[in-house]
Amino acid sequence: SQQGEEDPQALSIQEGENATMNCSYKTSINNLQWYRQNSGRGLVHLILIRSNEREKHSGRLRVTLDTSKKSSSLLITASRAADTASYFCATDKGGTYKYIFGTGTRLKVLA
Amino acid sequence: DTEVTQTPKHLVMGMTNKKSLKCEQHMGHRAMYWYKQKAKKPPELMFVYSYEKLSINESVPSRFSPECPNSSLLNLHLHALQPEDSALYLCASSPQDATNEKLFFGSGTQLSVL
Repeated sequence: SQQGEEDPQALSIQEGENATMNCSYKTSINNLQWYRQNSGRGLVHLILIRSNEREKHSGRLRVTLDTSKKSSSLLITASRAADTASYFCATDKGGTYKYIFGTGTRLKVLA
Repeated sequence: DTEVTQTPKHLVMGMTNKKSLKCEQHMGHRAMYWYKQKAKKPPELMFVYSYEKLSINESVPSRFSPECPNSSLLNLHLHALQPEDSALYLCASSPQDATNEKLFFGSGTQLSVL
């Protein structure tokens, strides 16, 4: 299966701390994306990083990609209670539009 | 309009019922997706439509029947479902443009099969 594995499965931090979650995948990819999901609702796109990129920033988010290790990390800096959600990575195998999601990290930010 | 609209939001059906889930987008996206998500699990891809043609079927049982009547609409017809099919069903769309491939999701239909 191409499905990504994410760790940790769950993460609990205090407001203001940084949160780091990791995603590993199995096959070559065209791009890797990160999504957030609040309480079983629809997913919201956060950031996309292409296979030829190593790092990308968007506001308080920083994503890295290491294609040699088939892994990516998402860093959320200065976390807020509103960041409490599940975070999923998703990979697309070579532009097939077959987006497969990783197992997810449940983040809880305590006020 | 940057929304994907799914109806109904909640659905309870018996194992002998026939029902349909609907999904609509007006962003001009040419790829549309159905995902199934069980509690505390990642979304699992079911079907992908590309330019209104079924391009990916992830070996989904025939009791789930997708339909794409036009470029804005996507349906999922349900018949003779099992209790284990209870889940959140998510619709998504994407531009199918190599420069912008992010998925736009609807808020889902929470399905319970009794």
